[in-house]
Amino acid sequence: NAGVMQNPRHLVRRRGQEARLRCSPMKGHSHVYWYRQLPEEGLKFMVYLQKENIIDESGMPKERFSAEFPKEGPSILRIQQVVRGDSAAYFCASSPNRAYNSPLHFGNGTRLTVT
Amino acid sequence: GIQVEQSPPDLILQEGANSTLRCNFSDSVNNLQWFHQNPWGQLINLFYIPSGTKQNGRLSATTVATERYSLLYISSSQTTDSGVYFCAVERGGANNLFFGTGTRLTVIP
Repeated sequence: NAGVMQNPRHLVRRRGQEARLRCSPMKGHSHVYWYRQLPEEGLKFMVYLQKENIIDESGMPKERFSAEFPKEGPSILRIQQVVRGDSAAYFCASSPNRAYNSPLHFGNGTRLTVT
Repeated sequence: GIQVEQSPPDLILQEGANSTLRCNFSDSVNNLQWFHQNPWGQLINLFYIPSGTKQNGRLSATTVATERYSLLYISSSQTTDSGVYFCAVERGGANNLFFGTGTRLTVIP
């Protein structure tokens, strides 16, 4: 059973470009969570999605960031017009049901560098 | 919001030594998990432990929910145990885990 798959592993973008990060959950998991980790810090929640629905986006910046989890295909975290402060590691996790009663399994992350 | 404090922030051990990492949280929780982030940045789920005690090989964890703390025990440490250990909690009604700032463990041969 493959784990949570994220790609690309590393992404370099110039200021003003768009970044698209992909996450395929573990087989059978329909709940996806995105977290961001700034250098030397812990992970911060961004958004929680189920298939075709955004359940909680309270951790998402109000502008430039969006997320989706379509019926078919991976979940996408999209950052428009990237700035240097967006440089971070972005982790995706999945669970078979809500986080409060099951362990979260994370992917290996996408390290975004904005030059 | 909920506060999650981990101690110590940094820990250096000789290979073979034992250690205890602590996680204090400021509010009642219905979910607590321990993670290990290795030097390559990968996050591994160690324990899902909202209460009670669990063991997995050289690692064990205990959560005393009524007193709002959890402990992670590492016995006979190995260099591969190096990395950052995070405690993460979820309050009832929340949709996400709130992470502590971690304990950075370095095991030297």
